[in-house]
Amino acid sequence: AQSVAQPEDQVNVAEGNPLTVKCTYSVSGNPYLFWYVQYPNRGLQFLLKYITGDNLVKGSYGFEAEFNKSQTSFHLKKPSALVSDSALYFCAVRPRNSGYSTLTFGKGTMLLVSP
Amino acid sequence: ETGVTQTPRHLVMGMTNKKSLKCEQHLGHNAMYWYKQSAKKPLELMFVYSLEERVENNSVPSRFSPECPNSSHLFLHLHTLQPEDSALYLCASSQGSGRDQNTGELFFGEGSRLTVL
Repeated sequence: AQSVAQPEDQVNVAEGNPLTVKCTYSVSGNPYLFWYVQYPNRGLQFLLKYITGDNLVKGSYGFEAEFNKSQTSFHLKKPSALVSDSALYFCAVRPRNSGYSTLTFGKGTMLLVSP
Repeated sequence: ETGVTQTPRHLVMGMTNKKSLKCEQHLGHNAMYWYKQSAKKPLELMFVYSLEERVENNSVPSRFSPECPNSSHLFLHLHTLQPEDSALYLCASSQGSGRDQNTGELFFGEGSRLTVL
């Protein structure tokens, strides 16, 4: 069975500073990996995904994530945080041959960016 | 403007009521999903429909009954719910129905906030 761990319930960072939201996963074989963001009272929005190729994936709103196979991690990063980045972030994983896009999500990490 | 529309956005119901949640996707996708989001818990996949056939049912109680009349519409019928069923119910859709045709990107609606009294 696949699983996703987001070890931090909350990450606090000052505006302008770099941010990292951590994610590790457990899945058999090579996974597809995703980050989603959820703003208050909204649904989840897709940020970026790793399929294959370059381990550094660039996504929406200046976010990027680095796939590390040996550490089974897919941490979300941004060089300079904005107050508007404050939201709930979800990491998700799907085995490559599972079909029907049955993603397994982590429990989410709340990112708070202070002015 | 999301391509997946959910109604109602908020619903309050008693334990003996019958209500339905509706989801409509305008993206031409052929797979649709219901997820349950409770506070401080991971998202729980409830049902998956691919090409209008139910392909996954994750041990969801029978008081939740899904219906997918066509590839654009998905319903979740609710009856005799419990207070612990109070949550945000999210609908999503994706493109492709076969193995590896779909790399997994889900498009979510805004959710229906359900409160069971």
